[in-house]
Amino acid sequence: NAGVTQTPKFQVLKTGQSMTLQCAQDMNHNSMYWYRQDPGMGLRLIYYSASEGTTDKGEVPNGYNVSRLNKREFSLRLESAAPSQTSVYFCACTVGTVSYEQYFGPGTRLTVT
Amino acid sequence: GQQVMQIPQYQHVQEGEDFTTYCNSSTTLSNIQWYKQRPGGHPVFLIQLVKSGEVKKQKRLTFQFGEAKKNSSLHITATQTTDVGTYFCAEGGSQGNLIFGKGTKLSVKP
Repeated sequence: NAGVTQTPKFQVLKTGQSMTLQCAQDMNHNSMYWYRQDPGMGLRLIYYSASEGTTDKGEVPNGYNVSRLNKREFSLRLESAAPSQTSVYFCACTVGTVSYEQYFGPGTRLTVT
Repeated sequence: GQQVMQIPQYQHVQEGEDFTTYCNSSTTLSNIQWYKQRPGGHPVFLIQLVKSGEVKKQKRLTFQFGEAKKNSSLHITATQTTDVGTYFCAEGGSQGNLIFGKGTKLSVKP
């Protein structure tokens, strides 16, 4: 089992370009999350999906959209990238909506110039 | 909004010394989770505490949840170079989302 996978691992974008970060999990978990990590800021929640077919905003949703394609896949889209979106993006999943441990993917390092 | 404050931000220790990181909240925490992130890696779950006054141990790691459920700590006895990384506390939200502290970065000098 791969757990949580993310693609790409690295990406450089120019300001204004768009891209989609992909996340997939083979753990049969219901809930999936997108976080961003900036130096000295810890991890901040962008969007989450408590179950297939539902998505909700987290702490820092502006400039992002998400799609819960099916139970396995949860994608994050940047429509018009800005330098402030330079960050490391982590996808995570957990078995349910009550607090359980989260399993994180390896991350995508995004640079916007 | 909810905030979980974590101190210190950095800690440099000599191998064999002890290390403690603290997590504090102004409001009662429903639960607290601890994660470790190695340099260049992703967060990895260590433990979850739920009950007031709870203490759990994992080999050289001791986790505590305060009696008032407003603070928590992670203590490492006799640090090793393999303990290097950033340790995060996080409160679990009602939708399973996590509210992270900013982390304590531990470096260990051999």
